[in-house]
Amino acid sequence: KAGVTQTPRYLIKTRGQQVTLSCSPISGHRSVSWYQQTPGQGLQFLFEYFSETQRNKGNFPGRFSGRQFSNSRSEMNVSTLELGDSALYLCASSFGTPAETQYFGPGTRLLVL
Amino acid sequence: EDQVTQSPEALRLQEGESSSLNCSYTVSGLRGLFWYRQDPGKGPEFLFTLYSAGEEKEKERLKATLTKKESFLHITAPKPEDSATYLCAVHHGSSNTGKLIFGQGTTLQVKP
Repeated sequence: KAGVTQTPRYLIKTRGQQVTLSCSPISGHRSVSWYQQTPGQGLQFLFEYFSETQRNKGNFPGRFSGRQFSNSRSEMNVSTLELGDSALYLCASSFGTPAETQYFGPGTRLLVL
Repeated sequence: EDQVTQSPEALRLQEGESSSLNCSYTVSGLRGLFWYRQDPGKGPEFLFTLYSAGEEKEKERLKATLTKKESFLHITAPKPEDSATYLCAVHHGSSNTGKLIFGQGTTLQVKP
């Protein structure tokens, strides 16, 4: 069974630009959660999508947004990039039952210059 | 406020030297505690899920246990390939969504 895939794996952007990251969940999984990982803050929850609806959102500014498609694939978008947005962005998928195990993808490494 | 604290931050062991990693949590009604392993530059790899106090799970040299206040990840006779960052996460007790709260992790180095 294929795992969670994320594209692209690496990105370099400059301040003020926007970026779109993609996540394909494990087949059959309907929930996709996004996390930001930085050395100083660790793993922080961004948002979760389930059946194309945002089910929960973390404490991030409105520049961070996402969506989910009918095939459960998800995208997250960051507009007006700031230096502090440099991080590893991880997505995780599950069937969607609360407190169920989430499986992570390899992440997208974003560097903002 | 829901919080997860892992200790120690870093741990160096000799190959074969057993030890334990700690994860203490404060959540309003634990619904699930998760252990992950993360290698540099990679996504977290799932290890264990624990749901209730007294529960134990084992996999090769690893054993996870859960009490009402904390969880331990016991590593028996570790090998250099066990070197990684071990992350603990809890499911937000009052949430009906998939939100996980992570600890800062314990970075384990096992020397041959």
